[in-house]
Amino acid sequence: SQTIHQWPATLVQPVGSPLSLECTVEGTSNPNLYWYRQAAGRGLQLLFYSVGIGQISSEVPQNLSASRPQDRQFILSSKKLLLSDSGFYLCAWSVIGLTGELFFGEGSRLTVL
Amino acid sequence: EDKVVQSPLSLVVHEGDTVTLNCSYEVTNFRSLLWYKQEKKAPTFLFMLTSSGIEKKSGRLSSILDKKELFSILNITATQTGDSAVYLCAGARTYQLIWGAGTKLIIKP
Repeated sequence: SQTIHQWPATLVQPVGSPLSLECTVEGTSNPNLYWYRQAAGRGLQLLFYSVGIGQISSEVPQNLSASRPQDRQFILSSKKLLLSDSGFYLCAWSVIGLTGELFFGEGSRLTVL
Repeated sequence: EDKVVQSPLSLVVHEGDTVTLNCSYEVTNFRSLLWYKQEKKAPTFLFMLTSSGIEKKSGRLSSILDKKELFSILNITATQTGDSAVYLCAGARTYQLIWGAGTKLIIKP
């Protein structure tokens, strides 16, 4: 069966510090991969998606970046965090070529102080 | 601009009541409408609707899509405290889901 792992679960970082959130998927090949952010009381905002290794599409211009160094690995990074980067970050995957059911990781709660 | 609007934003009912959650959408190249339940962390999948007028059911939950009027509803009958959650709907287009802000449902015992 397929599983998705996301870490760390909780992160408290000072403004200006770097960020790295990691996500790996097991049990499937060539998935679509996504990074979402959810602000308190808000819906999910798509940050990045990837349909293959090295292929990243950015939906929102900001100081975050994403990379997909391996087929089932997706990394969200920042060189310098802003206060506005605080939020709940979710990694998700779906079957390649389809837009439908997403399978989410457990999420990473980031607080920037 | 694509958008998905959910109503109400929040709802408080008593255990045993029936609730209806609404979702309207404007999504280019629309493929399907999805419902998710989010309790504490990750959203969990409930339904995917692609055809108009065909109800999908899972236990006490059911959902239907109207592609002419561009909306969907999620019904929960005989609500239980475990149904308390944020319910999210999303319109799917190629590679992307357009998400609504969610309806926060609170079930009082």
